[in-house]
Order: sequence, then C-alpha cells, then structure tokens
Amino acid sequence: GDSVTQMEGPVTLSEEAFLTINCTYTATGYPSLFWYVQYPGEGLQLLLKATKADDKGSNKGFEATYRKETTSFHLEKGSVQVSDSAVYFCALSYETSGSRLTFGEGTQLTVNP
Amino acid sequence: ETGVTQTPRHLVMGMTNKKSLKCEQHLGHNAMYWYKQSAKKPLELMFVYNFKEQTENNSVPSRFSPECPNSSHLFLHLHTLQPEDSALYLCASSHPQGSYGYTFGSGTRLTVV
Repeated sequence: GDSVTQMEGPVTLSEEAFLTINCTYTATGYPSLFWYVQYPGEGLQLLLKATKADDKGSNKGFEATYRKETTSFHLEKGSVQVSDSAVYFCALSYETSGSRLTFGEGTQLTVNP
Repeated sequence: ETGVTQTPRHLVMGMTNKKSLKCEQHLGHNAMYWYKQSAKKPLELMFVYNFKEQTENNSVPSRFSPECPNSSHLFLHLHTLQPEDSALYLCASSHPQGSYGYTFGSGTRLTVV
C-alpha cells in the first residue's frame, strides 16, 4: 500500500536558519503530493502541493519539488521565523474520485529567536 | 477561518455523558471526514462520507456515531466515552477528486474525565 515517511522530529532551529524537512513516499501510481502545517491549537492547513513530477509547490517562502526518481518531496525554507513553529505533515493522494489522503507522522518544528 | 467550522472548540465530558461534535462547510465539497489526533500518534481517519453516504468506517468503536444529514454538515455523536478517547477531533472536507487536497476545521479538543 501507499505510505509517507517523514524525518523524525522534533526539529529545533534558530531564527533565519535554513530548513529542510525530508519526506519520501511509496506509491503504486502517480499521486499528488502535499505539505500541511498545523499551528498550535489549530487544525491542518494546506501549505503547498504538487501534482506531477518535477512540479515545485511554493507558499509563504516554503518550497518543495516533486522528485519522482527519488520518490521525495522535501520541504525547504531559506530563512525560518519564530512564527513558523508548527507541526508539518507530508501527504499524498490520487486524482481518482474517492482517493484518500495518506499522511506522514508529522514533524514538529520549533524556531527560537 | 478556513471554510470548515467546528463546534465546540473545547469540550469536557464525563464518561456517562452524551455529547455531539458539529462540523459545517459551505465550500461546495461533497466529501467529509472525521479524524482523531492524539498526542504522539499519527492522524487516525475515523469516518468518511461521500455525498452524505458513509463510505468508510475504520474500525471505530460504537461509542462514536457519525451522522451526515446533508453534504454541508457532519456530526459526531459521543456516548460512554473512555479517558483514552481524549484527543483533538478534526473534521475535513474535499472535492471527491483527491488531487485538490482537504480543508480542515480547527478541531474540537475533547477531554473525557
């Protein structure tokens, strides 16, 4: 079956540091890939997505590129802020009707001033 | 405001109580979901509704009873819960086509005492 594996957290960085959160997937087909973010006390929000190989999703300074050859979708940001402290979830889904989102386990990010 | 509204935001209930969680969306989505998020555990998909019909029940105990009267509203009825049911309950909605991703509510923080 399909699965998503994220790097283990928690990740702690200083403000303005470079962020990478690794995500790899196992899929039987050609899924769409997503990053969701969950701020403290809130639900999950869609951060970015990519629907096919070599697509780059970007939002709020975050980027991730759909790499079919390495089955990866790593999240990056060049300079993190304290306000980026949250849990980040990688996920995949298919275009077919009724397809479910398969989530990774989430990575806690803490950014210190 | 994400477009998916959950009420209440917080709920404390005794093990003999009966309560209901409510989820509402006016995004034109036809699929709705209940997730359970416990500390240090992956997101657990509980129930899925497509066009008001339940299409998935992931071995959820009968003390959790979902109801979907129309495509915009989803309820989770709770009765005789256990302390281990304390968690954040998240509602989400989506187009049936999976590549659009899900829109999540802010969740209901449930504490069973």
